Amino acid sequence: EDQVTQSPEALRLQEGESSSLNCSYTVSGLRGLFWYRQDPGKGPEFLFTLYSAGEEKEKERLKATLTKKESFLHITAPKPEDSATYLCAVQAGGRGSTLGRLYFGRGTQLTVWP
Amino acid sequence: EADIYQTPRYLVIGTGKKITLECSQTMGHDKMYWYQQDPGMELHLIHYSYGVNSTEKGDLSSESTVSRIRTEHFPLTLESARPSHTSQYLCASTWFNEQFFGPGTRLTVL
Repeated sequence: EDQVTQSPEALRLQEGESSSLNCSYTVSGLRGLFWYRQDPGKGPEFLFTLYSAGEEKEKERLKATLTKKESFLHITAPKPEDSATYLCAVQAGGRGSTLGRLYFGRGTQLTVWP
Repeated sequence: EADIYQTPRYLVIGTGKKITLECSQTMGHDKMYWYQQDPGMELHLIHYSYGVNSTEKGDLSSESTVSRIRTEHFPLTLESARPSHTSQYLCASTWFNEQFFGPGTRLTVL
């Protein structure tokens, strides 16, 4: 069964205090791993797609990495405006998979205080 | 940048009412999806479509129905709303393996 587990559930950081969010997954034939940012009352905002182990992508203070079993979202010197829920999702490509559908984790709620 | 529109953004209705949540996109994407999200929980796929006249049910048992008569339009209908339908409903479309979401509809059934 395809599964995505994110940890921690919640993370509080002081401004400038770097940290990492974890996303571990079990999926049949990974086609892609996705990171989203979601602000309260809004839809998820696309951040990154990673396709193969060893791949890394960066955007401002965020860096996403991928291994065969997990992905990390590294946040360097965060600011209060980085406060949001960060969602991880995987796309399966194994037999019987629904084309294009994503399996989501429950997210990590990040709070950055000044 | 993806343009996906959902209306209404917020809806409070009484039990037994019929409602339609609207979703439209202007990018010509073939694949569209409806997800349900409760606070602190995963997004659950409830319906998807690969194109005009193609609709399928997702993982989550849902009493809603969808239609796809035009590429840009993917409405979701609840024939008789119940308090258990209270949730956030998110519409999404996919282009080159990247899935983009609308702002969501927050539905409350009293």
